[in-house]
Amino acid sequence: NAGVTQTPKFRVLKTGQSMTLLCAQDMNHEYMYWYRQDPGMGLRLIHYSVGEGTTAKGEVPDGYNVSRLKKQNFLLGLESAAPSQTSVYFCASSYSIRQEKREQFFGPGTRLTVL
Amino acid sequence: RKEVEQDPGPFNVPEGATVAFNCTYSNSASQSFFWYRQDCRKEPKLLMSVYSSGNEDGRFTAQLNRASQYISLLIRDSKLSDSATYLCVVNANQAGTALIFGKGTTLSVSS
Repeated sequence: NAGVTQTPKFRVLKTGQSMTLLCAQDMNHEYMYWYRQDPGMGLRLIHYSVGEGTTAKGEVPDGYNVSRLKKQNFLLGLESAAPSQTSVYFCASSYSIRQEKREQFFGPGTRLTVL
Repeated sequence: RKEVEQDPGPFNVPEGATVAFNCTYSNSASQSFFWYRQDCRKEPKLLMSVYSSGNEDGRFTAQLNRASQYISLLIRDSKLSDSATYLCVVNANQAGTALIFGKGTTLSVSS
């Protein structure tokens, strides 16, 4: 049971390049999330999904797109990277909205630098 | 007003000390509350949920005051391994999809 995994762990991009971050979970969780964490800021929600084939915008969605074609995978895309997207990206998943099962499990993060 | 505010820290304490962290939240409709722990350059992990009646897990005690919109975390008998950043987290909606994270309070426990 690997939990939540993220690929890649590190990446350096040039402004304007595109890339996709992959998140996978093997816990059969319905909900998945993408966050970014910047120095001096709390984690901020980019996009989330409440089930296969569904996505929704979070607090800071601009410049990002997501897809959830399979229940276990949640992809985050940057179509044209900007230096402001330099950050640590965390993926998370949770089982359901029920109070006792609302804990979010996080992946190890992807450190992205945009030059 | 920021949605979730925490003590700025850092807190530097000796082993064995008792330390308390405070957190306030702005959305009175918030449904659930948590403390997460984040080690340096690692992912956040759930430390404990916070219940209305208060709850304890070993050396850790969490309290919630809905009237004052205030959450606290008390750590007794601090260990070196408690050194980390503690994140106050508030769930702002019924669906559980709107976790709002505080910036975190850093604790450093020294021998």
